[in-house]
Amino acid sequence: GAGVSQTPSNKVTEKGKYVELRCDPISGHTALYWYRQSLGQGPEFLIYFQGTGAADDSGLPNDRFFAVRPEGSVSTLKIQRTERGDSAVYLCASSLTGDGTEAFFGQGTRLTVV
Amino acid sequence: GENVEQHPSTLSVQEGDSAVIKCTYSDSASNYFPWYKQELGKGPQLIIDIRSNVGEKKDQRIAVTLNKTAKHFSLHITETQPEDSAVYFCAASSSTGRRALTFGSGTRLQVQP
Repeated sequence: GAGVSQTPSNKVTEKGKYVELRCDPISGHTALYWYRQSLGQGPEFLIYFQGTGAADDSGLPNDRFFAVRPEGSVSTLKIQRTERGDSAVYLCASSLTGDGTEAFFGQGTRLTVV
Repeated sequence: GENVEQHPSTLSVQEGDSAVIKCTYSDSASNYFPWYKQELGKGPQLIIDIRSNVGEKKDQRIAVTLNKTAKHFSLHITETQPEDSAVYFCAASSSTGRRALTFGSGTRLQVQP
């Protein structure tokens, strides 16, 4: 596709359940980022991949959050034992270079934990 | 770590007027400063960016200025139109440190027709 694609667009889950959020970056983009955006706030960094490896995961809030990018393209953000405080829009971005510039975002996945 | 502050949080202008949004950053290692426009229900859209080796960049009705000494940068929109109404975010990153963006808290711009 032409842009970053995220699925699903919306996800409602019960507290304590496990969820997976998927990101398809722009073809050829080696860098991939996950951010979380709460209502009325700017996106907050979670994790950054350069190729297949997590170059920086310092933004992950705790060990319930994990992300993979096994083939250097599609990435999956995994959240275990979801809590109501995890409710937010999860945004994925990709960039052609690995220097943190020119990142293009997907439309996000709105996660609601009830 | 980096801290980016953005002002104002809301801005209302008449169609045709100019709008200015200002941001300050704390980390002197930051060298890349993009601006994003976010419409309701959509992801942030990159509209313009500036790197630390230039002081100003312009693209049609949009311009960004950077003052490295004072650690602040601004977005200028001229001849505003109703379709400019959205939330605008500034951000900063460093190509030598953490390469992820640190965002400001956003400015909701309303252009009154």
